[in-house]
Amino acid sequence: SYELTQPPSVSVSPGQTARITCSGDALPKQYAYWYQQKPGQAPVLVIYKDSERPSGIPERFSGSSSGTTVTLTISGVQAEDEADYYCQSADSSGPVVFGGGTKLTVL
Amino acid sequence: QVTLKESGPVLVKPTETLTLTCTVSGFSLSNARMGVSWIRQPPGKALEWLAHIFSNDEKSYSTSLKSRLTISKDTSKSQVVLTMTNMDPVDTATYYCARINDYGDYVYFDLWGRGTLVTVSS
Repeated sequence: SYELTQPPSVSVSPGQTARITCSGDALPKQYAYWYQQKPGQAPVLVIYKDSERPSGIPERFSGSSSGTTVTLTISGVQAEDEADYYCQSADSSGPVVFGGGTKLTVL
Repeated sequence: QVTLKESGPVLVKPTETLTLTCTVSGFSLSNARMGVSWIRQPPGKALEWLAHIFSNDEKSYSTSLKSRLTISKDTSKSQVVLTMTNMDPVDTATYYCARINDYGDYVYFDLWGRGTLVTVSS
C-alpha cells in the first residue's frame, strides 16, 4: 500500500490563509478527501474529490490538486477552525489510506 | 436524520475477540452505491482504516489486519458488525463507523458515528 504525508503542524493568525499539504505517489490517479477533527469529536468531511465542498461546509474551505500533492486551503481562518486535519485517498478495491494528520493552530 | 452509532464492549482482555456493531438510521444498507466502513484511532494518534462493506456485499480489509478482521451486515436490522480476533493492548483505540455514500474508483466517508473507545487490558 502507499502512504500519504502531511506536515505535523501548521500555525496561522486569525484572518490569514492556512494551507495544509498532503503528498502521495498515487494522488495523480486517485481523488483526495479532507476531514476536520476537533478534540473529542468524530471527523467531519470538509472536502471530497480533491476540491468539492459538502453542503454546510463554509466557503473558506477549498481544495486543490497538483501532481503528487493536494492542498487544503482555509481562507480567513477563524478560531473555530483550530483542529486536526486528515487527508485520505483510496480506490474501491481498497485499501483506504489516511495521512498522519496536521494540527492547525490559530495563534 | 442520518445517524450511525457504534456499540460494543468498553474493555476487552488480551487474546479475546472484539465484536462491534454499527447501527444506522436514516438510510438503508441496501441502497445502491452505499456502504459502511470501520476506522479506528488510538489515543493521540492518526486515523486507521480497518474495513468496509458495500451494499452489494463486497468487502475490503486493511492489508495489515486482514487475518484478524471480519465485516458483515444485516440489512434488516440496519447493522454492520466488525469482529477483530486476538486483541492486544496496541488495539486500544476509539473505533468509528462511517458511511460511504458513493463509491467507484474512489471511497470516502461523508458521515461518521461518534465512536466508541475500546481498551485492551488484563
